[in-house]
Amino acid sequence: EVQILETGGGLVKPGGSLRLSCATSGFNFNDYFMNWVRQAPGKGLEWVAQIRNKNYNYATYYAESLEGRVTISRDDSKSSVYLQVSSLRAEDTAIYYCTTTRVYYYYDGTYYYYVMDAWGQGASVTVSS
Amino acid sequence: DTVLTQSPALAVSLGQRVTISCRASKSVSTYMHWYQQKSGQQPKLLIYSASNLESGVPSRFSGSGSGTDFTLTIDPVEADDIANYYCQQSNELPLTFGSGTKLEIK
Repeated sequence: EVQILETGGGLVKPGGSLRLSCATSGFNFNDYFMNWVRQAPGKGLEWVAQIRNKNYNYATYYAESLEGRVTISRDDSKSSVYLQVSSLRAEDTAIYYCTTTRVYYYYDGTYYYYVMDAWGQGASVTVSS
Repeated sequence: DTVLTQSPALAVSLGQRVTISCRASKSVSTYMHWYQQKSGQQPKLLIYSASNLESGVPSRFSGSGSGTDFTLTIDPVEADDIANYYCQQSNELPLTFGSGTKLEIK
């Protein structure tokens, strides 16, 4: 069974920073991409960041709205992924979900699509003075 | 960016069939996925790549479509299906979600 546990959320002052952690188990972490998605109170889902696996040189991608303020990283030895967010603003207040991302490959090893298949319970981040 | 458009809400009677639609601003091939989010919970994957039922999801759920028009069908609707339903594309980055469709019971 896939297990996902996000930690590191809390109350942060505007301009502050935080690091969210996501510990996983129950699947072959090394084969997966990983994503972070957030949801502001009463709002919809917003993709935040993606990190690919070793086959793709751990390439990272970010939502334009957060680019320059966010860094995603992973530690395959710990089956964990992290999200560092800086210069926090009130509009960053949200639940941040870590998602496992299942990848489908062609025979030559390149991927042709992926899907966020399992989601953690989320880490609540509140930015307020 | 690929914009996904969903109707905000749908009301349906228990036992009936409901279709939730999602329209993409450009073709996403079949790289469209559907999630269910119940109140206070994290999203759950229902359908991936337009029409594939995720393991463990009841067969009452089905998906169809390609290109720009997609549908999620629930037949028959049960009380436990009250939730928000989101479509999401992985054809290109940034990954984008529809604004969600709230399913209500008449």
